[in-house]
Amino acid sequence: EIVLTQSPGTLSLSPGETATLSCRASHRITNTYLAWYQQKLGQPPRLLIYGASSRAAGTPRRFSGSASGTDFTLTIRGLEPEDFAVYFCQQYGGSPPHIFGQGTKLEIK
Amino acid sequence: EVQLVESGGGLVQPGGSLRLSCAASGFSIDDHAIHWVRQSPEMGLEWVAEITWSLSRINFADSVKGRFTVSRDYVQNSLHLQLSSLRPEDTALYYCARDMSQEGLGVLDFWGQGIKVTVSS
Repeated sequence: EIVLTQSPGTLSLSPGETATLSCRASHRITNTYLAWYQQKLGQPPRLLIYGASSRAAGTPRRFSGSASGTDFTLTIRGLEPEDFAVYFCQQYGGSPPHIFGQGTKLEIK
Repeated sequence: EVQLVESGGGLVQPGGSLRLSCAASGFSIDDHAIHWVRQSPEMGLEWVAEITWSLSRINFADSVKGRFTVSRDYVQNSLHLQLSSLRPEDTALYYCARDMSQEGLGVLDFWGQGIKVTVSS
């Protein structure tokens, strides 16, 4: 079973800056089946990115995803106030379970 | 508009049972796999089950296998998650979520607001 390790646990940045969030998989993920979700307090997760780099409908262009081997990155360029939230990565595809990372909290500095 | 609404949560004693429901609107559950995901401070986000009606496929996480079951309401475009032999570690906010695909790839593009389940004596 794959383990997804997200880093950092908390990232403190100011609006306008660029956030770089990492998700490392313990094993290679088939077909880069890796998704990113954003969760704000009191709300369910919201799909941002799937297939490591494809933006979901409604995801702003400042959000981008990339992959290199077992390392996946979510980059948010020009942080907006509404971007401060918790971000989760998720492995999907193939046989379940569909594993989630433990999350990175992006907070205002 | 796609919507998922969970209901049926509450407080139950260890060993007890509870039935959660997920009412879908704006799409047919024939056309998309549906997942249950739970969230707790201790375990974070944990995938629980996936249901793909078109493939007659239902899968459960090992942590709930043999204790949770799924059924469908054909009239109401909804499904139910039956929770049995509940344990304190099943305490969580339970979400139902729509899969982008019919086949159940696991990309969850719409989520309900969640329903709280508390297992405690």
